[in-house]
Order: sequence, then structure tokens, then C-alpha cells
Amino acid sequence: QVQLQESGPGLVKPSETLSLTCTVSGGSISRYYWNWIRQTPGKGLEWIGHIYDSGSPNYTPSLKSRVTISVDTSKNQFSLKLNSVTAADTAVYYCARADTVTTRYAFDFWGQGTMVTVSS
Amino acid sequence: DIQMTQSPASLSASVGDRVTITCRASQNIGDYLNWYQQKPGKAPKLLIYGASTLQSGVPSRFSGSESGTDFTLIINNLQPEDFATYYCQQTFMTPRTFGQGTKVEF
Repeated sequence: QVQLQESGPGLVKPSETLSLTCTVSGGSISRYYWNWIRQTPGKGLEWIGHIYDSGSPNYTPSLKSRVTISVDTSKNQFSLKLNSVTAADTAVYYCARADTVTTRYAFDFWGQGTMVTVSS
Repeated sequence: DIQMTQSPASLSASVGDRVTITCRASQNIGDYLNWYQQKPGKAPKLLIYGASTLQSGVPSRFSGSESGTDFTLIINNLQPEDFATYYCQQTFMTPRTFGQGTKVEF
């Protein structure tokens, strides 16, 4: 069974960089899209971006200037970096897998989520 | 961006009820429409993909349909474990976008 686990600091200071890693176990990181999503009470579920295997990432336009998603296939991990954070970036951050073949790119496996608070 | 408009925002229901949730896309998305269930403190869980295909392990009381840019999630014979928030999502193009959610309450 595929499992995803987010890890990283739960508290980030304003203007600094939020860094999270998602570790994938029970399956290969190859041939899937790997996504980051965040959730806030006010804005609901917001897709941040994805990366396919070790290809080029794709980001949501509103965050594109601040986001970097990368993948380390040797470690079965992918990562999120969001720089110049503000309080508006406080959210629960999820990583999720999207299958390109069988589920119309739906997010079939999710991490449990990690709460990140931006505060000094 | 493709806007996903979900309704209602919340609804009250009882065990055994039939519940209908709708989602409208702002443009054509084919059948690239997915439904998720989320319970408090948990990650969303994929219920239906491709507008109408049940994800493995999801009970058959859940069903989905499409009509153009309008999509429907139906829960027949609502069970206690079905009280949750439901989201639609389009994966036709990036950025992937979600509806605002429908909270099914007792």
C-alpha cells in the first residue's frame, strides 16, 4: 500500500522559506504526478503545484513566483519550498499522488497533512 | 483558471436519506471531475474519478454523473460514517481546482 508522509517545520517566521518533504513508501515515485496542496479555513483546498517523475514542475499562477517543487527519485521523496512567506501562507499542507493512467489524474493517495504556521 | 462552483455549501440530512451534491465547471472539462470526502483532521479521500467511476473500496451507495459542465454526487442510504465534507475537483487542466466543499451534517 502506497503511503505518503509530510515532514518539515511547523513554524516558519515571516519572510523566510517554508520547506517540506514528502516521503513515498510502498511504491515507486516514477510515472506519477506528485502534488502539493494546502488547506485553509478561508480558501479551502488550494493546489500549489506538481512534478512528474523528474520532469518540469507546474505551479499555480498565484504562487509561481515563490514556489519550487523538486523530486529526489533516489530517496523516493519530493519537496516543496515556498519563499517570502506571510501569515496568509499559514495552512495545512498535503502531498498527494496523481495517477496518469487509471484515474484521470485524480489524487488517489494523500499524506496525513502537516500544519504550518507563519509567525514571528 | 477553471472555476468549480459547488452547491449547497451545507446540508442537513438523516441516516437513510438520499443526498445530492452538485458541482458546475466554468468551462468544458470532459469527464475530468473527481469527488473527495474529508473528515475533520483527516486528508481528503478519493471517492469518484472520471465523473462516475468509483475508486476501489468505496461503497456502491456513492455514485457520480455528468451532464455537460454539471456534475452530481449522490449518496444513497446515508450512513453515519458519511457525515463529512465533500469536494469536487477538476483535473482537466492546470491549475487543478477544487470546489468550495459541501458539509453534510446531521
